[in-house]
Amino acid sequence: AQTVTQSQPEMSVQEAETVTLSCTYDTSENNYYLFWYKQPPSRQMILVIRQEAYKQQNATENRFSVNFQKAAKSFSLKISDSQLGDTAMYFCAFMKHSGNTPLVFGKGTRLSVIA
Amino acid sequence: EAGVAQSPRYKIIEKRQSVAFWCNPISGHATLYWYQQILGQGPKLLIQFQNNGVVDDSQLPKDRFSAERLKGVDSTLKIQPAKLEDSAVYLCASSLRWGEAFFGQGTRLTVV
Repeated sequence: AQTVTQSQPEMSVQEAETVTLSCTYDTSENNYYLFWYKQPPSRQMILVIRQEAYKQQNATENRFSVNFQKAAKSFSLKISDSQLGDTAMYFCAFMKHSGNTPLVFGKGTRLSVIA
Repeated sequence: EAGVAQSPRYKIIEKRQSVAFWCNPISGHATLYWYQQILGQGPKLLIQFQNNGVVDDSQLPKDRFSAERLKGVDSTLKIQPAKLEDSAVYLCASSLRWGEAFFGQGTRLTVV
């Protein structure tokens, strides 16, 4: 079974600064997807960024980028130029590549961006 | 493109009562998921449908929870009878292909 661990329950960052959220996972699979989802108080899970395990290049989406270390089973999220609207819960998630399998989530990190 | 629709947004019931949640996935999405998110935790899969067939319901408490997906489109999740520990957010998600999942806004259930 796959597990996802987020070791930082809460983090805070000053507006315009950079913050990194950590995630590790455990799997015996070789092909899989990794995700970071944002969940604001509205409760809707919003996809921030996705990484396919077979791709060596780290994914980037505007101010969001990941550091994917497959051998170490590590998948951290870097948010640059933090904005007040980035305040939310952030969840790391894993999905096997084979079959239409569900997401497995970590417990989340609550990020607060401070003005 | 319309997103995943869920209703109601909020529900408060007494323990031992029954409750039902509704989900309308994105048009054309064959896969539908129901997740339970207890406060302070990540979402946990309850059941996964492929069209109108169940793919995975191994974590669904079948003595009190049931779900159906008629005609492979809308889905309902029912709890009967509800317990205090069922208080959570119930999230519905859908996907068209591997490697993606789109979520609704969820239903917050409070059992008192």
